[in-house]
Amino acid sequence: GENVEQHPSTLSVQEGDSAVIKCTYSDSASNYFPWYKQELGKRPQLIIDIRSNVGEKKDQRIAVTLNKTAKHFSLHITETQPEDSAVYFCAASKLTGGYNKLIFGAGTRLAVHP
Amino acid sequence: SAVISQKPSRDICQRGTSLTIQCQVDSQVTMMFWYRQQPGQSLTLIATANQGSEATYESGFVIDKFPISRPNLTFSTLTVSNMSPEDSSIYLCSAQGAETQYFGPGTRLLVL
Repeated sequence: GENVEQHPSTLSVQEGDSAVIKCTYSDSASNYFPWYKQELGKRPQLIIDIRSNVGEKKDQRIAVTLNKTAKHFSLHITETQPEDSAVYFCAASKLTGGYNKLIFGAGTRLAVHP
Repeated sequence: SAVISQKPSRDICQRGTSLTIQCQVDSQVTMMFWYRQQPGQSLTLIATANQGSEATYESGFVIDKFPISRPNLTFSTLTVSNMSPEDSSIYLCSAQGAETQYFGPGTRLLVL
């Protein structure tokens, strides 16, 4: 079955620096890749997603890139702020029986220091 | 995006008892999902709940332990049966839009 590996498990940056989180997936049929941010004690919140027909997507300070050949995708956060501190999860899925079954990475704990 | 609520938000239960968690969505959705998240860990899919049919369970999860109901397009329940301390976790429901899944706030369960 699908497996998603996520690195690093923890990431510490200074405010204003960039942060990059990388994920690899095993199933070449996967076609949808969302990223979730989970603050302590809160629900996972979708922050950006990308589909397999697109190589890159940006939303203000957040961008995601996808390399289908290498089967990896990355989250890029620029000009980090303390409120970006959270756990970030990548996920991969493919349309199966009319729904997307998400397989999550292990998560990256991002700490942004003022 | 869908707005999802869960009840209860947290509970402390005795071993051997059962707890039913409710999940309500503010719009009609085809698919709902139930996840378990251990503290500091990732999300593990328990089962997929499709309205009008039996839930589909992932490897390691069985219907007798985690029965699920999906009576309509906006509501689902997950029961954690015959609980043991190993069932202590956060249980989250999610609802699928076109492709995106939105999550409920979670139910924090402690089994003594």
